[in-house]
Amino acid sequence: GQNIDQPTEMTATEGAIVQINCTYQTSGFNGLFWYQQHAGEAPTFLSYNVLDGLEEKGRFSSFLSRSKGYSYLLLKELQMKDSASYLCAAWDSNYQLIWGAGTKLIIKP
Amino acid sequence: IAGITQAPTSQILAAGRRMTLRCTQDMRHNAMYWYRQDLGLGLRLIHYSNTAGTTGKGEVPDGYSVSRANTDDFPLTLASAVPSQTSVYFCATSTTPGTDTQYFGPGTRLTVL
Repeated sequence: GQNIDQPTEMTATEGAIVQINCTYQTSGFNGLFWYQQHAGEAPTFLSYNVLDGLEEKGRFSSFLSRSKGYSYLLLKELQMKDSASYLCAAWDSNYQLIWGAGTKLIIKP
Repeated sequence: IAGITQAPTSQILAAGRRMTLRCTQDMRHNAMYWYRQDLGLGLRLIHYSNTAGTTGKGEVPDGYSVSRANTDDFPLTLASAVPSQTSVYFCATSTTPGTDTQYFGPGTRLTVL
C-alpha cells in the first residue's frame, strides 16, 4: 500500500535547529513536497524535491533520498512563528499526492 | 478576489441535508482539487478536475459530487450529508495537473449533526 510516515509531534527551542523526517512508500515516485500549516489555516508551500540532495531556501532546507524513500525538512534559527504543522506529501505514479498526517512542531522560548 | 476563496467559512448542517461548498479562483489555474482533512489523518483527495469540463474521482469520492463548468469555479456537493462527513474541506489549484505545486484555499469547516 501507499504510505507516508512522519512523527506526530516534536518540540524544539527558539533559536535552535530541528529536523523533521518523512519516509514514504508509493507506487512510483514523482517528487515530494513539504507544506507548512498553522492551526486553523490552509497549508502553504515550502519546498519541492524530485532529485536526490539538499534544497536550501533561507532558514529552511529539504533533503531527499529516493533510494531510501526518505526526506527531511531542516529548520534553522527557529522562531516562535515556526510553531505549526509540517506536512510531507509525495506524488505517486498516477500523479496523485499522498499526504502524511503532519508533524506538529512546538517551539518553546 | 485574490487567489482562492471558499464559502462558507464554516457550517453546521443537519444529517440528510444537501450542501454545496463553493470554491472560486482568479489565478487561471487549469487544475482544481477538493481535499478533506481530519485529525490524525493526512489530507485525502475527494475529487479533482484537470481542466474545465472534466472531473475525476480521488481517494474518498463516495457521497460527494463536483462539477467544473468554467475555469474559475469548482463546487463540491454533499447530496445527503452524514456525520462522517464532518471535516475541514480545502480546495486547491495548480497551474497544470501533474507535479505542479498546489495552492490551497482557506478551507470550510463543516459539522454534520
